Amino acid sequence: QKEVEQNSGPLSVPEGAIASLNCTYSDRVSQSFFWYRQYSGKSPELIMSIYSNGDKEDGRFTAQLNKASQYVSLLIRDSQPSDSATYLCAVNLAGANNLFFGTGTRLTVIP
Amino acid sequence: ETGVTQTPRHLVMGMTNKKSLKCEQHLGHNAMYWYKQSAKKPLELMFVYNFKEQTENNSVPSRFSPECPNSSHLFLHLHTLQPEDSALYLCASSQVEGDYGYTFGSGTRLTVV
Repeated sequence: QKEVEQNSGPLSVPEGAIASLNCTYSDRVSQSFFWYRQYSGKSPELIMSIYSNGDKEDGRFTAQLNKASQYVSLLIRDSQPSDSATYLCAVNLAGANNLFFGTGTRLTVIP
Repeated sequence: ETGVTQTPRHLVMGMTNKKSLKCEQHLGHNAMYWYKQSAKKPLELMFVYNFKEQTENNSVPSRFSPECPNSSHLFLHLHTLQPEDSALYLCASSQVEGDYGYTFGSGTRLTVV
């Protein structure tokens, strides 16, 4: 069974702090991993992708992948109130063209 | 127009009505998807079209009927829906080759009364 698990939150952090969002997945053949941001009433927006173990940095965002532990995370440095949104973790299987999503973690950055 | 556009943005329909949702992508992608998003639940994949051929029907009730006339357009025909079908319906597109994630449309907020 393919499952993507996220802590639904809400996660609250003060402005300027590091927000840490976590995701675990059940299928060991998962190959591609994505983080989407969804503002209230809007559609999901791709913000990060990661395919190999380790860290991948893009501006204030860092994605971390550990395939042995079946764990992927997203760190947001210097959090801003505009980062307040729901963050969706998505996983793709090798050779497949279907993304499986978690329920999302709601992040609130407090000014 | 750029990206993925969906119409209408909002739709209220009775259980005996027939309506259609439309999606159009301007990204040159060759795969398109319908997802359902309900409160407190993960995004649910409904249908997948690769090169305008349906490759997956994720146990969706027959009251939902997809149509993909070409790689840029996708429809979801609705008839005799139930109140529990009320949700946000999202269209997405991607490249089949490579692995670059999906681009979503803005969604249709459907309410069945």
